[in-house]
Amino acid sequence: QKEVEQDPGPLSVPEGAIVSLNCTYSNSAFQYFMWYRQYSRKGPELLMYTYSSGNKEDGRFTAQVDKSSKYISLFIRDSQPSDSATYLCAMRASAGTYKYIFGTGTRLKVLA
Amino acid sequence: GAVVSQHPSWVICKSGTSVKIECRSLDFQATTMFWYRQFPKQSLMLMATSNEGSKATYEQGVEKDKFLINHASLTLSTLTVTSAHPEDSSFYICSARGQAKETQYFGPGTRLLVL
Repeated sequence: QKEVEQDPGPLSVPEGAIVSLNCTYSNSAFQYFMWYRQYSRKGPELLMYTYSSGNKEDGRFTAQVDKSSKYISLFIRDSQPSDSATYLCAMRASAGTYKYIFGTGTRLKVLA
Repeated sequence: GAVVSQHPSWVICKSGTSVKIECRSLDFQATTMFWYRQFPKQSLMLMATSNEGSKATYEQGVEKDKFLINHASLTLSTLTVTSAHPEDSSFYICSARGQAKETQYFGPGTRLLVL
């Protein structure tokens, strides 16, 4: 079993839809959770960063962490064609290591 | 803030040659830098972690003598692929973390093609 599971997609949605992207994990020591967006042939760009459980909102993006279920989500409201990219979840344990464990990434296509 | 650059962005070389890739943190001091490798449509695979002034820590299965990492200053780390072969062709991405930064910031990546 992988430490982090993420549906690879592709996920196709119409413009304006609400997108839900998810990751599950098995290591209860994970405390920090990140979402990155990666366009084709580019480096990942940090979108959201959360610590422990709870919600965090930034513009059209909302990140949720449910540590009891070992489940994290990224919601994108009013999706745009420019949101078409691969979305990677990443997580790490608390102090002592900054090594990230990445999901495989979900490819998202927002259709105009 | 938190800009990381990589150079070159593209490199094509002949089999057997060595290639050096630079990773720079432009607006912060990077106490730790990471080197990743990514194959098409796959996630990032961590190759090694380097702290300024000390030897890099390599992940299991990564050849230290083939992938030489030097983190000589707080803003620069280099990855040298020695005696490159076609199977080394990949997308190499670095990331950096500063003292006051909890997260890693990624460079734009370097695409290596070995003929």
